[in-house]
Amino acid sequence: QKEVEQNSGPLSVPEGAIASLNCTYSDRGSQSFFWYRQYSGKSPELIMFIYSNGDKEDGRFTAQLNKASQYVSLLIRDSQPSDSATYLCAVKRDNYGQNFVFGPGTRLSVLP
Amino acid sequence: NAGVTQTPKFQVLKTGQSMTLQCAQDMNHNSMYWYRQDPGMGLRLIYYSASEGTTDKGEVPNGYNVSRLNKREFSLRLESAAPSQTSVYFCASKGISQGYTFGSGTRLTVV
Repeated sequence: QKEVEQNSGPLSVPEGAIASLNCTYSDRGSQSFFWYRQYSGKSPELIMFIYSNGDKEDGRFTAQLNKASQYVSLLIRDSQPSDSATYLCAVKRDNYGQNFVFGPGTRLSVLP
Repeated sequence: NAGVTQTPKFQVLKTGQSMTLQCAQDMNHNSMYWYRQDPGMGLRLIYYSASEGTTDKGEVPNGYNVSRLNKREFSLRLESAAPSQTSVYFCASKGISQGYTFGSGTRLTVV
């Protein structure tokens, strides 16, 4: 079992819809969870992070965390074509090196 | 504010050649990282440096060496390049705040 798993997609949603991206992780001791967006040919950029169970909202983005189920998700409301990208889930592995383990990413396509 | 600067952006090597990928950050971050990204594999950690003067192996260190030259610079060296090292390489840094800042990447092809 991979440490961080994501559906590779592509996930296609119509413009204006809610896109739901999911991530599961295997290390029950993981504390911090991150979502990165990566446009084709570009480097990843941080969208959101979450530590506590529940929801965290930032504009059109909502991160949801359920530690009991070892599940983290990202919701994108009012999806726009400019949201079309690969979304990477990352889990902070330990405090020494602040290492992140990344999932393979989910490719999102928002259709006009 | 440049953030994390990586050079070169593109490189083609012949099998057995060596090269060094350079990375520098101007954010006074303590921790720096080298990842490689391959299709379907996500980002995999090669080496990291938790602070100036320290380096540690990540998930896929074989075939690579690193040097944390000072707080700003963290280089990655391929001593004898192999086709399996064809990948996109990202340098990243992290300070007290959450999340990494990534460089723009180096696209390396080994033929």
